[in-house]
Amino acid sequence: QKEVEQNSGPLSVPEGAIASLNCTYSDRGSQSFFWYRQYSGKSPELIMSIYSNGDKEDGRFTAQLNKASQYVSLLIRDSQPSDSATYLCAVKVGGYQKVTFGTGTKLQVIP
Amino acid sequence: DGGITQSPKYLFRKEGQNVTLSCEQNLNHDAMYWYRQDPGQGLRLIYYSQIVNDFQKGDIAEGYSVSREKKESFPLTVTSAQKNPTAFYLCASRPGQAVNTEAFFGQGTRLTVV
Repeated sequence: QKEVEQNSGPLSVPEGAIASLNCTYSDRGSQSFFWYRQYSGKSPELIMSIYSNGDKEDGRFTAQLNKASQYVSLLIRDSQPSDSATYLCAVKVGGYQKVTFGTGTKLQVIP
Repeated sequence: DGGITQSPKYLFRKEGQNVTLSCEQNLNHDAMYWYRQDPGQGLRLIYYSQIVNDFQKGDIAEGYSVSREKKESFPLTVTSAQKNPTAFYLCASRPGQAVNTEAFFGQGTRLTVV
């Protein structure tokens, strides 16, 4: 079982719709969860971080964490063509410095 | 400006040669990381360091070596033992002492074996 799993996609949504990206993780000791966006040929940039169960909202982005079910998700409301990118989920186990990434989900927003 | 600087941006290596990728940060971060990314793939951890003079193997350390002699610097050497070195290499750092902090990335080095 991979430490962090994501559906590779591509996930296609029409402009203005909600995009839902999901990530599951295997280590129950995980405490820190991150979503990064990566455009082709560029380095990842942080979108959201979440550390406790529940929802965290920032503009059009909402991160959701459910530690009991070991999944974290990212919702993008009012999706724009500029949101088309690969979204990477990353997890850090508490007390350790290792940060593990999933393989990423490619999102395509269709105008 | 504070940030993470990787150099060079593009690097070409002949088979059998060792090459060293540079990563410098002026963010006063304790933890630093090296990841490798192949086309269409996620990031795989090569090595990471929590403090000066200490580093840990990640998931794909074979054929790579690192050093952490200074807090600001974490160079990665790709040795001739690495059979498929062509990839996009990313360096990251984060404040190591606090639990809930994010990692920030440099702009990456694209290594090609010719």
